[in-house]
Amino acid sequence: DVKVTQSSRYLVKRTGEKVFLECVQDMDHENMFWYRQDPGLGLRLIYFSYDVKMKEKGDIPEGYSVSREKKERFSLILESASTNQTSMYLCASTPGGFSEQFFGPGTRLTVL
Amino acid sequence: LAKTTQPISMDSYEGQEVNITCSHNNIATNDYITWYQQFPSQGPRFIIQGYKTKVTNEVASLFIPADRKSSTLSLPRVSLSDTAVYYCLVGDEAAGNKLTFGGGTRVLVKP
Repeated sequence: DVKVTQSSRYLVKRTGEKVFLECVQDMDHENMFWYRQDPGLGLRLIYFSYDVKMKEKGDIPEGYSVSREKKERFSLILESASTNQTSMYLCASTPGGFSEQFFGPGTRLTVL
Repeated sequence: LAKTTQPISMDSYEGQEVNITCSHNNIATNDYITWYQQFPSQGPRFIIQGYKTKVTNEVASLFIPADRKSSTLSLPRVSLSDTAVYYCLVGDEAAGNKLTFGGGTRVLVKP
C-alpha cells in the first residue's frame, strides 16, 4: 500500500512564525501536491511538484512556498504565518497523469 | 478543466442504494471522471474512475451516459460507515497535476 505521511496531525503556531509542514511518500511517485481545505471551499491546490526541485503554483500559492530536495519528500513553508492560514493541510502523491491521488492524513494548523 | 456540479447533501438509510449525480457539461474528449470519498479529519480516498458506459468495483459503480455530460456514482446497500463527503472530478492526463476538488456531496446515512 502507498503510504503518505505528514509530520504532524495538529499544530499551533503564532502569527509571524515560520512554519514547516513535511510530507513523505514511500512509493516513488513523481508528483506531489499540497492542498488546503476549509469549510465550504473544498480542497484548493496550493503548490505541486512533478520532479525533484521542480514546482508549480496551484490556485492559491500566495503566502506559501515549497521545497522538494528529494523525490519522496515535499515540504510546505509558511514564511510568516497569519491567522487566515489556519486550515487543514493535505499532502498527496500520484505516479503521474490523471491517476489516483494518495492523500496523507492531514495537518490541522491553527495560527493564533 | 471541466467544471462539475453535484448536490450539496443527501440523506439515506442503511441498506439503501445511494446515487449521486455529477454534471460536467463541458467535458472534453480526453477527460476521465473520478470520484473520491472523504471521512472527517482524513484525506480523500479514491473510489472509482471511468471514461464511458459503466465501471464497477468492490465498493461502487459509475454510470456514464453516451454524451458523458453527467455521471452517477452508485453506492449499493450503504451502511453508517459510508457517511462521508463524495467528490466528482473531471480531467485528463495533461490536467492531472491541477485537479480541482469542488465542495462535494455530503452523504448522511441514517440507521
